[in-house]
Amino acid sequence: GDSVTQMEGPVTLSEEAFLTINCTYTATGYPSLFWYVQYPGEGLQLLLKATKADDKGSNKGFEATYRKETTSFHLEKGSVQVSDSAVYFCALSDINNAGNMLTFGGGTRLMVKP
Amino acid sequence: NAGVTQTPKFRILKIGQSMTLQCTQDMNHNYMYWYRQDPGMGLKLIYYSVGAGITDKGEVPNGYNVSRSTTEDFPLRLELAAPSQTSVYFCASGEGIRATFGAGSRLTVL
Repeated sequence: GDSVTQMEGPVTLSEEAFLTINCTYTATGYPSLFWYVQYPGEGLQLLLKATKADDKGSNKGFEATYRKETTSFHLEKGSVQVSDSAVYFCALSDINNAGNMLTFGGGTRLMVKP
Repeated sequence: NAGVTQTPKFRILKIGQSMTLQCTQDMNHNYMYWYRQDPGMGLKLIYYSVGAGITDKGEVPNGYNVSRSTTEDFPLRLELAAPSQTSVYFCASGEGIRATFGAGSRLTVL
């Protein structure tokens, strides 16, 4: 079945540092890929998405490129802020899955220190 | 728009008790989902629905039941609570490949 693997956290960075959170996937079809963010005490919010190979999703300074050859969707940001502290989830949705459900990675906690 | 509303936000249950987690969406979405999030883990799908009157099991359905009598509501029922059901529960709705999540319901079974 489909699966998503992302780097374990926590990741601790200083403000303005460069961020990379690795995400790789396995899927039988041609999935859409997502990054969700969960701020403390809140639900998940869609951060960005990409629906086909070589697409780049971007939002709020974050970006990720759908790499079919390496089955990866790594999240990057050039300069993190304290307000970026949250848990980040990589996910996929495979049209072959009944109900278009999302398959999630385990989440990566990011802590940004001033 | 309120989006996806879940109640209650927090609940403590004793082993063997029953309860229902409520979920309501006002976006007229056909697809609705219930996930659970265990500490340090990703979200796992419990049940989903593709429209009123239609539900199906996800990855971890044991110990839960759902119903979908209207487009707006998708309650999750725990009949005999067990400590293994201690988790944070998220309801989501969405069309196609997008999903909007509720704020979550934290359930503790003691």
